[in-house]
Amino acid sequence: KNEVEQSPQNLTAQEGEFITINCSYSVGISALHWLQQHPGGGIVSLFMLSSGKKKHGRLIATINIQEKHSSLHITASHPRDSAVYICAVPINFGNEKLTFGTGTRLTIIP
Amino acid sequence: GAGVSQSPSNKVTEKGKDVELRCDPISGHTALYWYRQSLGQGLEFLIYFQGNSAPDKSGLPSDRFSAERTGGSVSTLTIQRTQQEDSAVYLCASSKLPGQGFGGELFFGEGSRLTVL
Repeated sequence: KNEVEQSPQNLTAQEGEFITINCSYSVGISALHWLQQHPGGGIVSLFMLSSGKKKHGRLIATINIQEKHSSLHITASHPRDSAVYICAVPINFGNEKLTFGTGTRLTIIP
Repeated sequence: GAGVSQSPSNKVTEKGKDVELRCDPISGHTALYWYRQSLGQGLEFLIYFQGNSAPDKSGLPSDRFSAERTGGSVSTLTIQRTQQEDSAVYLCASSKLPGQGFGGELFFGEGSRLTVL
């Protein structure tokens, strides 16, 4: 069993749909990163959160520390949201030695 | 600089050769991380720098891999006697606020794609 599990592994949706990607983890401390990797390979940090909810544009991330679970939501999805979304958990306090999920490949069809 | 810069963006080398990959982090970022992403695989941690020291080298896959950081800025990842299994994208990231409980937001470079023939 992976220490950081994401679901689904692949998700195809129509433009405009509400998207939810889930991440459950069994290791690490009480914080989590959501990353976005586009087909070209570049990685962008979307959120780093340790409690509650954060919102940036159409993206919303929530975390439940007690349940060790986080969700990434995309409202009004658009083809440009097509990417691999990766959650990652720091193992230790004080640095970002991250354990990564295997990623969720999202494809938004126009 | 404006972002994390890595070079070369692509490197093709022959098995047995040494390679050096460079990372220039965002100015002022004291923490620097190297990760590796093999084809079809997830990201894996290699090494972490706080300033010029590397408190955690646990992710380096073998003693052929080494890294250094000078002046609290540029870092070089060196792979000696490259093997085909070293082929991967090597990603560098930096952050401003390590040691604050859970570190800080990470900023990634575009990566260096290494192909060992």
